Amino acid sequence: DVQVTQSPSSLSASVGDRVTITCRTSQSVSTYLHWYQQKPGKAPKLLIYSASTLQSGVPSRFSGSGSGTAFTLTISSLQPEDFATYYCQQSFNTLLFTFGPGTRVDMK
Amino acid sequence: EVQLVQSGAEVKKPGESLTISCKTSGYPFTGYWIGWVRQKSGKGLEWMGLIYPDDSDTRYTPSFQGQVTISADRSSTTAYLHWSSLQVSDSAVYFCARVDYGIDHWGQGTLVTVSS
Repeated sequence: DVQVTQSPSSLSASVGDRVTITCRTSQSVSTYLHWYQQKPGKAPKLLIYSASTLQSGVPSRFSGSGSGTAFTLTISSLQPEDFATYYCQQSFNTLLFTFGPGTRVDMK
Repeated sequence: EVQLVQSGAEVKKPGESLTISCKTSGYPFTGYWIGWVRQKSGKGLEWMGLIYPDDSDTRYTPSFQGQVTISADRSSTTAYLHWSSLQVSDSAVYFCARVDYGIDHWGQGTLVTVSS
């Protein structure tokens, strides 16, 4: 099975900060790696798919990069509505998706 | 507009059976995999399994194999998640989700509480 890790597990940041979250997989997943944002009590929302493609309607301050086993999600200038938990997810094995453990972004 | 609308919250006792539903609309039901995701209170997302409604091809994450049954009804464009015998540890929010490039549409979640 492909294992997925994220770092950090949590971070504190201020509005306007640049935020970077890292996701690593235990084996290469090519670019079958996606990023989600989840706010309390809500369903997750797709931000980035295939490692670097911005989902329609998602602000351009979000970007993704990477391939193989190492990936990053970057928020170029954190906005108040961006305080949330972020998950990466691999779909290289189309039958056994795996989510990372999540990164909580809260206000400093 | 693509929509996935899930059935309402459930409170059950251990050993009882339960089926929750995910009614889809706004897209060709048989053209996309639909999956289920578990989220226990305060915890992360767990992928349970998925089904391809066109041919009912169904796959389960090993830890959920034999614990739940995923099905789909093409006539009503609805996916289902079934437990034959609930355990307290099944208490969680369950999301259905459409799979495309990533999971691009989600249901609103169904809270399942299992308590004696």
